[in-house]
Amino acid sequence: DTGVSQNPRHKITKRGQNVTFRCDPISEHNRLYWYRQTLGQGPEFLTYFQNEAQLEKSRLLSDRFSAERPKGSFSTLEIQRTEQGDSAMYLCASSLGGGGLSTDTQYFGPGTRLTVL
Amino acid sequence: LAKTTQPISMDSYEGQEVNITCSHNNIATNDYITWYQQFPSQGPRFIIQGYKTKVTNEVASLFIPADRKSSTLSLPRVSLSDTAVYYCLVVGSEYGNKLVFGAGTILRVKS
Repeated sequence: DTGVSQNPRHKITKRGQNVTFRCDPISEHNRLYWYRQTLGQGPEFLTYFQNEAQLEKSRLLSDRFSAERPKGSFSTLEIQRTEQGDSAMYLCASSLGGGGLSTDTQYFGPGTRLTVL
Repeated sequence: LAKTTQPISMDSYEGQEVNITCSHNNIATNDYITWYQQFPSQGPRFIIQGYKTKVTNEVASLFIPADRKSSTLSLPRVSLSDTAVYYCLVVGSEYGNKLVFGAGTILRVKS
């Protein structure tokens, strides 16, 4: 069983550097989500894709954040000019996406923990 | 916005039944209720989903009253390994599919 995988699992960077994370969803899953989670909080929605189309972005997502899913399979999340406030766990989830978002069963990856020094 | 409210934490003992209630007063007609479980340093894991009345699977039951303004996740005979954070998620379809997880309920199971 190949679930959702995320790489790297941990990333330490210095303020001002760019970082890129990768998410490989479950095969044949059409929807892919990105979340950010800080200690003691629930996952915070960032964006989601239906196949290769990015359909929604959170207003909390600053222009330093960009996500792609070029062929409708894996996705990357890039953060430019990182700030200490970007330190968090970045979670990816995928779903079959056959109906509305309300009925989606999301399968989450293990996350990438980002530490910005 | 289908905001959800859950207790911050709950304590239980092994072998007991645990009920975690979530309120979602602004739930819309087409919204489903989904519960997730999260262990430290892991992504959330789907537990159960429902629309109305009662849903049961191999790990939990979900009770939803007729007005659907709340729901209760029931975990039968919990064990130490059920210690985790539990999230109730209602995607606000009337407000552009807002995906908002609350802070969740920390369940501590003691021996």
